[in-house]
Order: sequence, then C-alpha cells, then structure tokens
Amino acid sequence: DAGVIQSPRHEVTEMGQEVTLRCKPISGHNSLFWYRQTMMRGLELLIYFNNNVPIDDSGMPEDRFSAKMPNASFSTLKIQPSEPRDSAVYFCASSFTGTGSSYEQYFGPGTRLTVT
Amino acid sequence: DAKTTQPPSMDCAEGRAANLPCNHSTISGNEYVYWYRQIHSQGPQYIIHGLKNNETNEMASLIITEDRKSSTLILPHATLRDTAVYYCIVRVAGGGKLIFGQGTELSVKP
Repeated sequence: DAGVIQSPRHEVTEMGQEVTLRCKPISGHNSLFWYRQTMMRGLELLIYFNNNVPIDDSGMPEDRFSAKMPNASFSTLKIQPSEPRDSAVYFCASSFTGTGSSYEQYFGPGTRLTVT
Repeated sequence: DAKTTQPPSMDCAEGRAANLPCNHSTISGNEYVYWYRQIHSQGPQYIIHGLKNNETNEMASLIITEDRKSSTLILPHATLRDTAVYYCIVRVAGGGKLIFGQGTELSVKP
C-alpha cells in the first residue's frame, strides 16, 4: 500500500487566496483525520471523519476553514481566505475503526503551507 | 482523555537501550497507552500500544506498571535513525482523535 497520500507537499500562497489541501487515505480505512502542526501549538486535531461523516470539528479554527470527504478515498481541507497565521504543516491520517481494530492512525507526509 | 507527562528531552548512546518514561496518573480503566514518534519533517508514526499487559513488537517494548499510572517505552538497541520526538498518548480504544503533548525529544548519539 502506498500509505496516506497528501498533495501538494508544499504550498506558498499570498494572504487572501484560497488554499485546498488534498488527502487520499489508505484503502479500507474508514476514519480520516486532519491535524495541524506549528512550533507554538504543536500537533492539534482540526477535524475527523468516520465513514465519510464529520464526527468532531471542534478543532477547526474558524469559518475560514472547511473540510469535506465526498467519498471513502478522498478528502479536502480548504482555507478561504488564507492568512499568514495559517502557515503550518498540515497532516492527514487514516485508520480502520471497527471490530478487531487497534485504532492506530497512519499519517501522511504532510503539506507545508506558507502564507505570505 | 487522561493527561500525560514526559521529560522534554533525553540522550541515548547508539546501540544502547533507550528507555522513555511517561506518567499518566489519571488514566481510566478503559484507556490505552499509545506511543507515536515523529522523525524530523515527517508525519507521526505509530509504535505500539497497550492496556495493562506489557507489549512487544518489532519496533519496541512497552512496559506498563501494575497500577497503570506510568509506562516506559523501550527501544532495545537505539540507532541514529531513532532520533525523533516520542509521544505518549492515553485514550480510549475507539476514541478517535489523538491529543499530542510536547513529547520527549530523543537524541541518539554515536
């Protein structure tokens, strides 16, 4: 398996622009997580989905952030409009949640976002 | 989810065992101890988890005290590639999100 795939790996954009981050989870996994990592705040969960349904979005900073999971193999995290304080590494992770699972999460390589 | 406490940093000589401690004194009976690590510029990587029995896999061993208030992750023969930040996380098995603390930055030195 190729693991969790994220694109782009690096994104540089100007303040006010829309940014879309993409994630393809591991095939067969039914839970997907978006995390953000900064030096100041460390790793923090933004939102997670189970069976394509958002379960907990309490970590989404504000209305500028939105996430979708239209099917089991694809998710997006959108920031509109972007601000310099959104600069961070964004990780996507997936796991299998169900009978017999040990619930470990597999992380993608991350997208490094820089907003100037 | 219970809070965990880890030392901010540790050093280990290459080839020696690395023992990383974690305190979780408020752990509940249905909460597991999970360990992840993050090598610089990469996504976190699952290492091991346990409930109350000691666990071992190809990467590490996990020792949980009988009262479950603390645990130790053991890397039996540390290599330079084990240099990373190690996170101890406590949560219920199906608890969804992982709450990462500051972790322990392990430096393996030649």
